[in-house]
Amino acid sequence: DTGVSQNPRHKITKRGQNVTFRCDPISEHNRLYWYRQTLGQGPEFLTYFQNEAQLEKSRLLSDRFSAERPKGSFSTLEIQRTEQGDSAMYLCASSLTQGTYEQYFGPGTRLTVT
Amino acid sequence: GNSVTQMEGPVTLSEEAFLTINCTYTATGYPSLFWYVQYPGEGLQLLLKATKADDKGSNKGFEATYRKETTSFHLEKGSVQVSDSAVYFCALSDRGQGGSEKLVFGKGTKLTVNP
Repeated sequence: DTGVSQNPRHKITKRGQNVTFRCDPISEHNRLYWYRQTLGQGPEFLTYFQNEAQLEKSRLLSDRFSAERPKGSFSTLEIQRTEQGDSAMYLCASSLTQGTYEQYFGPGTRLTVT
Repeated sequence: GNSVTQMEGPVTLSEEAFLTINCTYTATGYPSLFWYVQYPGEGLQLLLKATKADDKGSNKGFEATYRKETTSFHLEKGSVQVSDSAVYFCALSDRGQGGSEKLVFGKGTKLTVNP
């Protein structure tokens, strides 16, 4: 068990550019979540996958955001036409389908939009 | 919607002091409750959890009891150490679409413990 990994750890981009982040969950975990955390705030839910199916999306997830989880393994989160307000830490978490639903978090990708 | 309110920080204590971080919640139904900790430069780690009323979660000397009557889940530790310096987040599970158990977090409380 190597834990949840995320790449890149840091991303600096110019406004208007597209960015893509990757999350590799714990291998046996069926559920995968994306959250966004801004400075001084707790994480906020963005979207949820069970296996390859995206089953819930937050209203925070505007049309410029898209997430995928092909084959139910790793997941990507893409932001198109980035804005300065997108600057945040993007967190990925995974959990088992059954049980107490404990979520295990990755280290996050810090996005800075200049 | 469901929400979590936790005490504002920062909190600064001397080593071996008693710690309480207050957390109250608003929820429909009976969510599971969690405390997560974020050490400097690291990701969120689950500290403890409770899944039903009157359950007590405990780990590393920290404790919290699920109080349905007061909708609270306060975090306590009898004697803090410098190594406990971190940001602490209270959270609840919110059942959503497709069986999602997404977490709703409080804003976090930064704890600094001085030697």
